[in-house]
Amino acid sequence: QVHLVQSGTEVKKPGASVRVSCKASGYTFANYGISWVRQAPGQGLEWMGWISAYNGNTNYAQNLRGRVSMTTDTSTTTAYMDLKSLRSDDTAVYFCARVLLGSLSFDYWGQGTLVTVSS
Amino acid sequence: SYVLTQPPSVSVAPGKTATITCGGDNIGRKSVHWYQQGPGQAPVLLIYEDRDRPSGIPERFSGSNSGNTATLTISRVEAGDEADYYCQVWDTFSSHWVFGGGTKLTVL
Repeated sequence: QVHLVQSGTEVKKPGASVRVSCKASGYTFANYGISWVRQAPGQGLEWMGWISAYNGNTNYAQNLRGRVSMTTDTSTTTAYMDLKSLRSDDTAVYFCARVLLGSLSFDYWGQGTLVTVSS
Repeated sequence: SYVLTQPPSVSVAPGKTATITCGGDNIGRKSVHWYQQGPGQAPVLLIYEDRDRPSGIPERFSGSNSGNTATLTISRVEAGDEADYYCQVWDTFSSHWVFGGGTKLTVL
């Protein structure tokens, strides 16, 4: 059974950085990519980027380039999303999701991690 | 960048059929996925590749896609279907995934 379990709530000050982890289990980690999606309070879903767990290739949303970095650790089957220079409008729930090969849909999601940016 | 347009809200009585649209330029040429998100929950894949259902998704949920509009249809709506629904595509031009703005389904 596929599971994606994310790290816990974070509270950060403006200008700081945050790392969110996503521990995968129940499938061959390197055979799939992981996308990150965020959702600001009361807002819709925003795609942030994607990383291949096979070779580490990444693809970031244009509005986050330079501030976001995604990595994977195949030894622990964990994906990481780092976001730096945090601003108040980065306050959101951050989700990781497995990308289904072929269809490119997101078939399994983590439970979400609330990141609050506040002085 | 590619834009997907959804109505902010749709209301339907229990037992009736709900239709949620997702508009985009020649969206019929793209593969559309739909997600359901309950309050405080992570999204769940509902429909992939326009009309296919993952295992465990009831047949009441169906999808279609043609021209400039993709459609999610929910038959025999139940109170438990009340949620936010999002469409999604992969935009080959930008090499980005794109979500629609979401539609809140209210069951009257």
